[in-house]
Amino acid sequence: QVQLQQWGAGLLKPSETLSLTCGVSGGSFSGYYWSWIRQPPGKGLEWIGDINHGGSTNYNPSLKSRVTVSVDTSKNQFSLKLSSVTAADTAVYYCAHLSLDLHAFDFWGQGTMVTVSS
Amino acid sequence: DIQMTQSPSSLSASVGDRVTITCRASQSISTYLNWYQQKPGRAPKLLIYAASRLQSGVPSRFSGSGSGTDFTLTIISLQPDDIASYYCQQSHTAPCSFGQGTKLEI
Repeated sequence: QVQLQQWGAGLLKPSETLSLTCGVSGGSFSGYYWSWIRQPPGKGLEWIGDINHGGSTNYNPSLKSRVTVSVDTSKNQFSLKLSSVTAADTAVYYCAHLSLDLHAFDFWGQGTMVTVSS
Repeated sequence: DIQMTQSPSSLSASVGDRVTITCRASQSISTYLNWYQQKPGRAPKLLIYAASRLQSGVPSRFSGSGSGTDFTLTIISLQPDDIASYYCQQSHTAPCSFGQGTKLEI
């Protein structure tokens, strides 16, 4: 059973860089894609980007210029950086496991509320 | 990008009711359609993948159908534990995209 535990700063000022990390346990880290998804308060879900154990990334074009997803295979962790944040980036951020068999997100982190406010 | 449109946006039903939520894609996505349940303050939970396949551990009162552009999630005999928001998601074309959600109330 894969488990994802995420952490990072929850309060940022405009123009700062959001930084979150997700640790993976209970399953293989290799051979899968690991994703970041966000949800603004009271709104729907938006896929941000993903990475595999080899470091190959995919990003949502709407955020691509500001997003970096990286991986540390020695620690079974992957991370999200989102630069130049504004109030529009206020959201709950989730890490998730993309099952290549199911073509669906089958395991999720607990979520981190990130608020951008001056 | 593929747009996913759910209806209704909110729904009130009674315990024991049959509930249907629909999801429409802006272009054909075959059966690359997933459904998630999200309870307040919790992460989404995968219910159905590939339009109609029940994820392990999900009660059989949940079912999904459809292909191409039109899909449905059905809950037969609604239970109090089913109070949640429900989201569809297409995994056919990158970037993957979600519907805006359906909030189910009793």
